[in-house]
Amino acid sequence: QVQLQESGPGLVKPSETLSLTCTVSGYSISSGYYWGWIRQPPGKGLEWIGSIYYSENIYYNPSLKSRVTISVDTSKNQFSLKLRSVTAADTAVYYCARDMRWGMPTMEFDYWGQGTLVTVSS
Amino acid sequence: QSALTQPASVSGSPGQSITISCTGTSSDVGGYNYVSWYQQHPGKAPKLMIYDAVYRPSGVSNRFSGSKSGNTASLTISGLQAEDEADYYCSSYTSSSTLKDVFGTGTKVTVL
Repeated sequence: QVQLQESGPGLVKPSETLSLTCTVSGYSISSGYYWGWIRQPPGKGLEWIGSIYYSENIYYNPSLKSRVTISVDTSKNQFSLKLRSVTAADTAVYYCARDMRWGMPTMEFDYWGQGTLVTVSS
Repeated sequence: QSALTQPASVSGSPGQSITISCTGTSSDVGGYNYVSWYQQHPGKAPKLMIYDAVYRPSGVSNRFSGSKSGNTASLTISGLQAEDEADYYCSSYTSSSTLKDVFGTGTKVTVL
């Protein structure tokens, strides 16, 4: 059974960098799926942040692209999110998830982490 | 890129059927069959209910069905049950300007 777990600070100061890690268990992250980050501000809808396939293909939401970096650490079976220059508008629950189709990004996510709330505040 | 348009709320009595629409453009819903639907209960992660517009993942009740016509996808819940009360989001693959995903605005389903 594939399981994903987000981890990282729950509080980040404005203008600093938000850093989260998603640890995958039950499946090798290097075995051919895309892995994504999605966020949800409190009381609002879902927003796709980006997706990664190994370290070869990485896609970002154009609205966040200038501030986002997604990377993979196959030795730890993890992938990570860095969001720079955060503001209060970046306060959200951040989810990591697996794109369901092997080898191609369809943006249909079948396995999700439980989510982690990150608050941007001084 | 705008979010896909969904009704803010839909309600129905137990046993009834309801349908949630998801309207996009020819760059997303109308251009690809990679349309998915998610159910989200309060404080929980989204759960995939429909993929490729019409298919149910293993373990999802057959009371949930999906369809697509032109730029609009739909999710129908038949035999509405109290446990179906949740938020529902559609999502579509899109290649508008650059490869990315777009989610719907979300629909609150209330079981009366």
